Amino acid sequence: QKEVEQDPGPLSVPEGAIVSLNCTYSNSAFQYFMWYRQYSRKGPELLMYTYSSGNKEDGRFTAQVDKSSKYISLFIRDSQPSDSATYLCAMTTGFQKLVFGTGTRLLVSP
Amino acid sequence: EADIYQTPRYLVIGTGKKITLECSQTMGHDKMYWYQQDPGMELHLIHYSYGVNSTEKGDLSSESTVSRIRTEHFPLTLESARPSHTSQYLCASSEYWAGAYEQYFGPGTRLTVT
Repeated sequence: QKEVEQDPGPLSVPEGAIVSLNCTYSNSAFQYFMWYRQYSRKGPELLMYTYSSGNKEDGRFTAQVDKSSKYISLFIRDSQPSDSATYLCAMTTGFQKLVFGTGTRLLVSP
Repeated sequence: EADIYQTPRYLVIGTGKKITLECSQTMGHDKMYWYQQDPGMELHLIHYSYGVNSTEKGDLSSESTVSRIRTEHFPLTLESARPSHTSQYLCASSEYWAGAYEQYFGPGTRLTVT
């Protein structure tokens, strides 16, 4: 069983929709939770990270962590075609290695 | 924006050839990493370094080797390329005291071995 599970998609939404991306994990020692955005033919770009449980907001993006359920989410409000990319969740205990999900491909149509 | 560079961006090469994938960063980061990414699969750590003359193997077994002679440079070498080495290779870096969550990635090298 993988430590981090993520639906690969693709997830297709119209422009302006609210997007919800999710990951589940099995290791209760994870403390840091990241979301990366990866455009085609590019490297991953860190969008935001959250320490422990709770919410974090940055513009149109909101990250949520529910450690009791071992479930993390990324919400994108007012989605734009430029948001079309693969979104990778990743997590770590802190200074140890990053463990990645497989990524969810998001397509936002005009 | 992170300043980490990888060359070449794309490489198609025949079986048995020796190849070196280059990775350089201008941020003075001590920690550097190599990941392998296949389509639809998660990133896997194959090598990392915590500073000059420090190299370690990651979780995913790899036939590649790395060296760290200069802080800014972390090349990856395959002595004899095989079709099974076809993949995307991503380099990343972070400051020494930074947590694993503060890694910055390069654009990647897409390698195809025919």
